[in-house]
Amino acid sequence: EAGVTQFPSHSVIEKGQTVTLRCDPISGHDNLYWYRRVMGKEIKFLLHFVKESKQDESGMPNNRFLAERTGGTYSTLKVQPAELEDSGVYFCASRLAGGSYEQYFGPGTRLTVT
Amino acid sequence: QQQVKQSPQSLIVQKGGISIINCAYENTAFDYFPWYQQFPGKGPALLIAIRPDVSEKKEGRFTISFNKSAKQFSLHIMDSQPGDSATYFCAAARGGATNKLIFGTGTLLAVQP
Repeated sequence: EAGVTQFPSHSVIEKGQTVTLRCDPISGHDNLYWYRRVMGKEIKFLLHFVKESKQDESGMPNNRFLAERTGGTYSTLKVQPAELEDSGVYFCASRLAGGSYEQYFGPGTRLTVT
Repeated sequence: QQQVKQSPQSLIVQKGGISIINCAYENTAFDYFPWYQQFPGKGPALLIAIRPDVSEKKEGRFTISFNKSAKQFSLHIMDSQPGDSATYFCAAARGGATNKLIFGTGTLLAVQP
């Protein structure tokens, strides 16, 4: 079974540019999460999808971040326009529906805004 | 406000020794406490998890000890090996619609041969 995949693995952009991150969850996992780790700090929750619906987006920093999950399969996270403080590693995780708590993480996308 | 506090920030252990990482939480509504292991360039991988109805869970060389009254839990790695060198994160989650994970800041473990 393939794990959670993320693309790209690394992105370097200039302040003011736009970047789109992609996450493909484990097949059959209805729940998809985005997290972010800024250098040296904790991994922080951004938002949660159940299928194509946003269940909880309380962790989204501001309206420069837009997440979508069309068709309930892969998800994208767009940052527009990017700011220096957006630099960090963005992780995607997925989880089965039902009572399981176990979340499986992708390798992350390292975003560097210069 | 940090809901899950993790210590130490870094840890050096000799091969064969015991590695101990501690976490403390604030929210008594948390009911799931996992530990994740992360190697450089990889994503966090679920290592072991515990629910608050038990005080200890062991899987191989890895043990979680849980103290509900003190709101603390810890990871013990017995017979630590150089291959255990990684960053370890504790986390907590509350059952409900989201089950989002609240993470500690991570512990960088180095096991010296």
